[in-house]
Amino acid sequence: RKEVEQDPGPFNVPEGATVAFNCTYSNSASQSFFWYRQDCRKEPKLLMSVYSSGNEDGRFTAQLNRASQYISLLIRDSKLSDSATYLCVVNMAGTYKYIFGTGTRLKVLA
Amino acid sequence: EAGVTQFPSHSVIEKGQTVTLRCDPISGHDNLYWYRRVMGKEIKFLLHFVKESKQDESGMPNNRFLAERTGGTYSTLKVQPAELEDSGVYFCASRPGHETGELFFGEGSRLTVL
Repeated sequence: RKEVEQDPGPFNVPEGATVAFNCTYSNSASQSFFWYRQDCRKEPKLLMSVYSSGNEDGRFTAQLNRASQYISLLIRDSKLSDSATYLCVVNMAGTYKYIFGTGTRLKVLA
Repeated sequence: EAGVTQFPSHSVIEKGQTVTLRCDPISGHDNLYWYRRVMGKEIKFLLHFVKESKQDESGMPNNRFLAERTGGTYSTLKVQPAELEDSGVYFCASRPGHETGELFFGEGSRLTVL
């Protein structure tokens, strides 16, 4: 089983739609969680950290469910510019190693 | 302030040759990471430096890969001799301090081994 798993997609959604991605992690002692965004042939960039209580940044909402060992990302009112690959990243407890999921591709269609 | 810079952006070499990739982290960032993305796969951890010390090199594929970080500043990743399966994009990332937090990535070095 992979340490961090994501549905690779692609998720094709119309502009204005709401879309949600989940990511599961295998190590119950994992302590820090992030969503990164990667555009085609570019480097990953931090979208948002994921806090235990959940957090929101504009149209983006991240949630953490420790009991079920997953994190989620909700994007409301999708824009064409949201088209990208969304990477789930988990910091392994007791280390400074960051583990990446394969990413979920999102295509927002006009 | 300059971000993480990597050189070269793209390298094409033949199997058996040597390639050295360089990463200049953001100034003052003690933590430096190397990652690799092979086509169709996830971004995989290679190793982690704190200043000039290797903290974790558990992701290094084999002894054909050698990473150094001279004086705790820039880092190099040498592949010698290169094999076909080494092709991919090598990302460098850095972050400050001791707490976990955002990784700042360079644009990557694309390696093609023919």
